[in-house]
Amino acid sequence: GAVVSQHPSRVICKSGTSVKIECRSLDFQATTMFWYRQFPKKSLMLMATSNEGSKATYEQGVEKDKFLINHASLTLSTLTVTSAHPEDSSFYICSAALGPLAGANTDTQYFGPGTRLTVL
Amino acid sequence: AQKVTQAQTEISVVEKEDVTLDCVYETRDTTYYLFWYKQPPSGELVFLIRRNSFDEQNEISGRYSWNFQKSTSSFNFTITASQVVDSAVYFCALSEALWNFNKFYFGSGTKLNVKP
Repeated sequence: GAVVSQHPSRVICKSGTSVKIECRSLDFQATTMFWYRQFPKKSLMLMATSNEGSKATYEQGVEKDKFLINHASLTLSTLTVTSAHPEDSSFYICSAALGPLAGANTDTQYFGPGTRLTVL
Repeated sequence: AQKVTQAQTEISVVEKEDVTLDCVYETRDTTYYLFWYKQPPSGELVFLIRRNSFDEQNEISGRYSWNFQKSTSSFNFTITASQVVDSAVYFCALSEALWNFNKFYFGSGTKLNVKP
């Protein structure tokens, strides 16, 4: 149980284009989803927390107009990197947490497999 | 200040050796959760364990064991009889709120290399 998928797993795009990454909780409803960015050989950096039906909460230093997050349903959140530039190239990982009615482990985050974005 | 410190950047062992990965955390909350995740070369983080601040019992799961010591703010992870498949980056994480899905504070990770 608690499987999270991400699509695409890998994307290469030209500078200036926008890229959408999907994060889905496959076998549970996720009230909250998180988006992280990971640079090579580095730890995960939280970008934003996304609650279903409300605006995402961005971490300090993360441009909300550049990294658009939509959490339209309890099983789907999307991250759109707008007008991507080479410096946006990174490994983007989403995670999902069980809702409060799920009992134990509501605070455990289950991670997707990640999306490797390369901007040329 | 770092809330979660994993001082060991990289560890190399030979298969069948035991290895302990250290994790030291810092928090003022009385209710918090500690986690360990494994990130193999494929990139996906695999959940290993969740421990709440009120439960200091050590836990064993197969070759994995965890030692939670509130007195030293540590939550160390031991792999017994390591195997090549254990090679990965291991992250320790802290969550300070029980029901509010507050963000995780991740350590910098420890890369474990298990050589045959």
